[in-house]
Amino acid sequence: DADVTQTPRNRITKTGKRIMLECSQTKGHDRMYWYRQDPGLGLRLIYYSFDVKDINKGEISDGYSVSRQAQAKFSLSLESAIPNQTALYFCATSEPQASSYNEQFFGPGTRLTVL
Amino acid sequence: QKEVEQNSGPLSVPEGAIASLNCTYSDRGSQSFFWYRQYSGKSPELIMSIYSNGDKEDGRFTAQLNKASQYVSLLIRDSQPSDSATYLCAVNPGGGADGLTFGKGTHLIIQP
Repeated sequence: DADVTQTPRNRITKTGKRIMLECSQTKGHDRMYWYRQDPGLGLRLIYYSFDVKDINKGEISDGYSVSRQAQAKFSLSLESAIPNQTALYFCATSEPQASSYNEQFFGPGTRLTVL
Repeated sequence: QKEVEQNSGPLSVPEGAIASLNCTYSDRGSQSFFWYRQYSGKSPELIMSIYSNGDKEDGRFTAQLNKASQYVSLLIRDSQPSDSATYLCAVNPGGGADGLTFGKGTHLIIQP
């Protein structure tokens, strides 16, 4: 079984619709992250969370919101999707041990297309 | 602005040769450095982590770190066609637990 799962894996939606992408992990890690990947721009951080009471904005948080429902679940929402949010979205986790120095492990990704 | 720079490639290497991938970073406070491999349409897979100056070897992979020059490299020995992928350099700026800063990746092609 995969350690980090994301649903859905593919989604096509229309401009203005609300979309939620979900991430679950069985690794027991406290830290969870959302990134988006665009061709030519690389991976960029959207939001991250250290526990259910701690949410932090990343480099490109505008137009997105998140919810940390439990240690193992971290959801990303697009309140009103727009075409330039078309991208590949990845969830990642890391463990709070000094020896790991923030090694991050990625889920399989969600390919989102906004028409 | 914290940046990680990589040559986008493509870098073409004959099968069995050594592939050398390079990365520079701007934040001198960075404490940890990572190489991820990403096949087309797939997620990044962590292949090497390095925290101290010098070399770190794992199988056919060697990561090299020079903090004074703000330079990280990845060597792949005995390159195989299955090594063909995009290699992402990532840096943990400031040594905290915030998100990683990624380079745009180098596309590596191993020619049979």
